[in-house]
Amino acid sequence: EAGVAQSPRYKIIEKRQSVAFWCNPISGHATLYWYQQILGQGPKLLIQFQNNGVVDDSQLPKDRFSAERLKGVDSTLKIQPAKLEDSAVYLCASSFYSSGEQFFGPGTRLTVL
Amino acid sequence: DAKTTQPTSMDCAEGRAANLPCNHSTISGNEYVYWYRQIHSQGPQYIIHGLKNNETNEMASLIITEDRKSSTLILPHATLRDTAVYYCIVRAPNSGNTPLVFGKGTRLSVIA
Repeated sequence: EAGVAQSPRYKIIEKRQSVAFWCNPISGHATLYWYQQILGQGPKLLIQFQNNGVVDDSQLPKDRFSAERLKGVDSTLKIQPAKLEDSAVYLCASSFYSSGEQFFGPGTRLTVL
Repeated sequence: DAKTTQPTSMDCAEGRAANLPCNHSTISGNEYVYWYRQIHSQGPQYIIHGLKNNETNEMASLIITEDRKSSTLILPHATLRDTAVYYCIVRAPNSGNTPLVFGKGTRLSVIA
């Protein structure tokens, strides 16, 4: 079974630039999550989708972050404009249903200079 | 905020059992205990979960105290590949949308 795919694996940008991350969940998984993991800390949920609808985006900094899951499959997370404190690993996860086991992708490591 | 307390780090000799403790003294009756681990440069990986009975699978055993205020994850024969950060999480999966809330976890180093 193919796992959760994410790209790119690494990204370096300068502050105030824009960046986008892509996630392809496990086939058939209705629930998709984006987490932010700052160095030395555990992952923090940014947004949760159920199919193509947003279930929870209470922790998403909406002035600069946006996410979408068109057609209820792939998802993109965008940061515009980036700040230094956005340097982190961005993890995508999916689950068959909202309370099920979550499967994580390898993450995208973002460095903002 | 995470509802669990874990030691920051632990060492374990290769081939020995690794016992990772977790305190969750404010756990509610409908909350399960979940364990995930994160190997360097990878995403977290599910290990095991339980409500009140001890659980075992191919990866580990989970021992939950009778009062459910603490638990221990046991890796029976630790290998170098078990070196990772281990997260203990409490969650009520049957109470609607309940996300995983990660703390800082325990960094386990398995030493040859």
